[in-house]
Amino acid sequence: SSELTQDPAVSVALGQTVRITCQGDSLRNSYPSWYQQKPGQAPVLLIHGNDNRPSGIPDRFSGSTSGKTGSLTITGAQAEDEADYYCNSRDSVDNHLIFGGGTRLTVL
Amino acid sequence: QVQLLESGGGVVQPGGSLRLSCAAPGFSFRSYGLHWVRQAAGKGLEWVAVIWYDDSQENYADSVKGRFTISRDHSNNMLYLQMNSLRGDDTAVYYCARDPFYGGLPGALDFWGQGTPVTVSS
Repeated sequence: SSELTQDPAVSVALGQTVRITCQGDSLRNSYPSWYQQKPGQAPVLLIHGNDNRPSGIPDRFSGSTSGKTGSLTITGAQAEDEADYYCNSRDSVDNHLIFGGGTRLTVL
Repeated sequence: QVQLLESGGGVVQPGGSLRLSCAAPGFSFRSYGLHWVRQAAGKGLEWVAVIWYDDSQENYADSVKGRFTISRDHSNNMLYLQMNSLRGDDTAVYYCARDPFYGGLPGALDFWGQGTPVTVSS
């Protein structure tokens, strides 16, 4: 079955820009969605359909995809952005959803 | 206001069964697909199952296929997950999540419940 690979941990200085990536063959056929999860809380959808933000998501969050690599960019990271970030996509063969292993973002 | 309220979690012995429920008031139930996603303690998210917005399909992760069944009741806006032959590696917090099925296919989970914990242990 397909897999999505994320870096386990990334850090960014307060106010700087950080890119979190997600790699997998499924991204050639299905845009990734991105989620933020803070400790003890449910995930929150940040980005879907490559670069669409649900209502209420700050515009410092953006998405992009190139080939089999999807990226979530945070422009001007804030202290409250410290969290785990997950990508997901759909396997076009069987319509199963796939989640990446998650990236823990530390804001320095 | 959109709400997803899971219940039914608890402690069960290996080989046992449990049925999770998810109440989904506050939105047009028939217009959305619904998923179960689980997360073991300290681990990442694992997709479990989906029922399509039009009830035309149910899809399951290989790890639960043949043991778990997803279903829903439109009369009371409820989603269920019947879990049989439970194993230790099924221990996790189970979330229900809503999917608008953008483009007619599953993928973006736009609203999540707070989860219900399941522990499989003797």
